[in-house]
Amino acid sequence: EAQVTQNPRYLITVTGKKLTVTCSQNMNHEYMSWYRQDPGLGLRQIYYSMNVEVTDKGDVPEGYKVSRKEKRNFPLILESPSPNQTSLYFCASLRDRAADTQYFGPGTRLTVL
Amino acid sequence: DAKTTQPTSMDCAEGRAANLPCNHSTISGNEYVYWYRQIHSQGPQYIIHGLKNNETNEMASLIITEDRKSSTLILPHATLRDTAVYYCIVSIYNQGGKLIFGQGTELSVKP
Repeated sequence: EAQVTQNPRYLITVTGKKLTVTCSQNMNHEYMSWYRQDPGLGLRQIYYSMNVEVTDKGDVPEGYKVSRKEKRNFPLILESPSPNQTSLYFCASLRDRAADTQYFGPGTRLTVL
Repeated sequence: DAKTTQPTSMDCAEGRAANLPCNHSTISGNEYVYWYRQIHSQGPQYIIHGLKNNETNEMASLIITEDRKSSTLILPHATLRDTAVYYCIVSIYNQGGKLIFGQGTELSVKP
């Protein structure tokens, strides 16, 4: 079954404690993205990757890092989380630009105290 | 990417067709119209997309006006499980497939 998985699904942490949210896809897709969703602001792209070792900033990259060492994995790293990063996070993958369906993960709800 | 305008909310009776409109008057010639939906706080789900011709798949139909400035998503026989927020997005899937999500239309399907 084609899917994007994220872990953890829920996380409560404290300011400044480094954390990583993992994302994995089993479809051999080239493109992967991270989004955050906040009330009234919709989903906004944080970072994206168009291939292994190729990443770039989206619209709201401040406070986040990513890496793409393997095609299937695209972890999101918060080196020093702050309360304004409390949000619902989604990972997404797309075969390539000519594809139609972009697949989203189930979401990670992060609370930073 | 072009901006889209959708009604904030709509109701539909179960078993009836749901017609969700979208305006995208500034759409560029190479931009596609995509429809995604989000049920509660789950990950968005792709529904359908089109460039200029009408499209149909197992989930829905998409009608795009000849001038491409607006479109309508049709769910032919809405069920309670179709209650969700529906997003109309115009995109060329650049920047890693970037989608700009607006506020969408909150569709409530009622028994």
